[in-house]
Amino acid sequence: QVTLRESGPALVKPTQTLTLTCTFSGFSLSTSGMCVSWIRQPPGKALEWLALIDWDDDKYYSTSLKTRLTISKDTSKNQVVLTMTNMDPVDTATYYCARSPRLLHMDVWGKGTTVTVSS
Amino acid sequence: DIQMTQSPSTLSASVGDRVTITCRASQSISSWLAWYQQKPGKAPKLLIYKASSLESGVPSRFSGSGSGTEFTLTISSLQPDDFATYYCQQYNSYPWEFGQGTKVEIK
Repeated sequence: QVTLRESGPALVKPTQTLTLTCTFSGFSLSTSGMCVSWIRQPPGKALEWLALIDWDDDKYYSTSLKTRLTISKDTSKNQVVLTMTNMDPVDTATYYCARSPRLLHMDVWGKGTTVTVSS
Repeated sequence: DIQMTQSPSTLSASVGDRVTITCRASQSISSWLAWYQQKPGKAPKLLIYKASSLESGVPSRFSGSGSGTEFTLTISSLQPDDFATYYCQQYNSYPWEFGQGTKVEIK
């Protein structure tokens, strides 16, 4: 059974750096074609794709956020980490991670973790 | 970047209705399009991938069609469990992009 779980702080202050961890099971990120994405959703708004890392350690980012984002993986721990610098209240959102087999659609999602940016 | 535009933004329908949602890409994405269903407070759920392939376990009343720049999601007979928000998403090229969503409401 494939599962993903997001974890990280529920509250961060403006200008701080956010670090989120996606811990997964049921698949390996060393399998050819496998990748994990991060997606966020501000309250009442649409989904926004943020970043992706693949089995070969290639990384892709949202154009509007790429200067603030870093995605990395620890294959031995089955984890993908997303850092976002210079947090702002507009970054308040639920953050999801999701699996993409064969560099394709996102077939399994985590439940999400809610992050509030406030002083 | 490829922009994805869904229409309508909101749709009011009754149980049993046939419902169609449209998604347009700003440039050709071949058939690299997925549709997701999201209910309040829940993670999105994959319904359709590669424009027209039904994800395992998804009811057959859901179908997808299209290629290039224009795509549709059809629910053949709307059920009470289908009232939700639907998103299209392109995975033809990076950065991946979602449409703005279509909320299907009870009429």
